[in-house]
Amino acid sequence: EIVLTQSPGTLSLSPGERATLSCRASQSVSSNYLAWYQQKPGQAPRLLIFGASSRATGIPDRISGSGSGTDFTLTVSRLEPEDFAVYYCQQYGSSPFTFGQGTKLEIK
Amino acid sequence: EVQLVESGGGLVQPGGSLRLSCAASGFTFSSYEMNWVRQAPGRGLEWVSYIDSSGSTMYHADSVKGRFTISRDNAKSSLHLQMNSLRAEDTAFYYCARATYYHDTGAYGMDVWGQGTTVTVSS
Repeated sequence: EIVLTQSPGTLSLSPGERATLSCRASQSVSSNYLAWYQQKPGQAPRLLIFGASSRATGIPDRISGSGSGTDFTLTVSRLEPEDFAVYYCQQYGSSPFTFGQGTKLEIK
Repeated sequence: EVQLVESGGGLVQPGGSLRLSCAASGFTFSSYEMNWVRQAPGRGLEWVSYIDSSGSTMYHADSVKGRFTISRDNAKSSLHLQMNSLRAEDTAFYYCARATYYHDTGAYGMDVWGQGTTVTVSS
């Protein structure tokens, strides 16, 4: 089983600042199968990034993904109020299709 | 409108059974892989089960293997999760999610999610 470890657990930042979220895999993951999701309270998750770096439909370009192998990063370049949420990475290349434990991005 | 609507959740005693359903609309259901993902109260996302577009390949998380079975009816655009021998730790919000294959990149993402259904296992 591929374990995904996200860091930090909680990130406290102010609107306008840059957020960098990390997702580290216990073994190599093909970039094609690494995705990022955003979840707000009481809502279903929303796909942000697929293929490690491709933005899903409607996702603004201030949100970007990068990385390969075992290290992946989600960056939000200029935080807007609607960006404060919980973010999960997931690998879809090898069953079980595991999620990271999540990073909570909160307003400082 | 592309939509997934879950149903079938509820309160069940330990050892009992439930069958969740997910009704798909607005897209060609038979062309997509599907998944069930759950979220225990106050916890993160946990992938539960996968089924390919034809229904011939299924995977389950170790935590539910042998107790849960995913299935689909492409003629009715519906996805199901048969849950047997339920335990307290199965208490969660259950989502169905569509997996899209992006041909230009060769990548996958779960791009459509239902609003979920609650399963509570308690005596």
